[in-house]
Amino acid sequence: EIVLTQSPGTLSLSPGESATLSCRASQSLSSNYLAWYQQRPGQAPRLLIYGASTRAPGIPDRFSGSGSGADFTLTITRLEPEDFALYYCQQYSSSPRYTFGQGTKLEIK
Amino acid sequence: EVQLVESGGGLVQPGGSLRLSCEASGFTFSTYEMNWVRQAPGKGLEWVSYISSSGYSTYSADSVKGRFTMSRDNAKNSLFLQMTSLRAEDTAVYYCARGRVGEVPAAPGAYYYYMDVWGKGTTVTVSS
Repeated sequence: EIVLTQSPGTLSLSPGESATLSCRASQSLSSNYLAWYQQRPGQAPRLLIYGASTRAPGIPDRFSGSGSGADFTLTITRLEPEDFALYYCQQYSSSPRYTFGQGTKLEIK
Repeated sequence: EVQLVESGGGLVQPGGSLRLSCEASGFTFSTYEMNWVRQAPGKGLEWVSYISSSGYSTYSADSVKGRFTMSRDNAKNSLFLQMTSLRAEDTAVYYCARGRVGEVPAAPGAYYYYMDVWGKGTTVTVSS
């Protein structure tokens, strides 16, 4: 089973700054299988990025994903107040079908 | 509007059973695989179960295998999760989520896998 480890656990930044969130897999995986989700307080997760770098429909271009192998990154530029939330990476595999990282909390400094 | 609406959550005693439902609208339900994902209070996301578009194939996380059964009724655009032998650690918000499998444009034969539509969730509390 591939384990995803996200860092940092909490990231404190100010609006207008840029955020870099990391997701490291315990073994190499296809970038096709890596997705990122945002979860605001009290809300369901929302798909941001799939295939490691493809933005989901309606997602602003301030959000970008990159990486390959075992290291993946979600970058958010020009942080807006609504971007402060929890972020999860997720990977697909044959078993279990999906696993999530433990999450990174992006909080206002 | 593409929408998933969960229902059926509530308070149940340890060892009890509960059946969750998820009603889909705004898309052709029968052509999509579906998943249940849960989130314990203050914790991260945990994938629980998957069902193919036809309903013939299902997979579950080891933590619920043998206790939870996922099914669907494509004629009624509905998804179900039958939960038995419930434990305190099953306490969580349960989300249904649409699964997407898409061919990578630049790489025929390669596929994306992700969950693109989520319901708002239903809360299950297992406590005496």
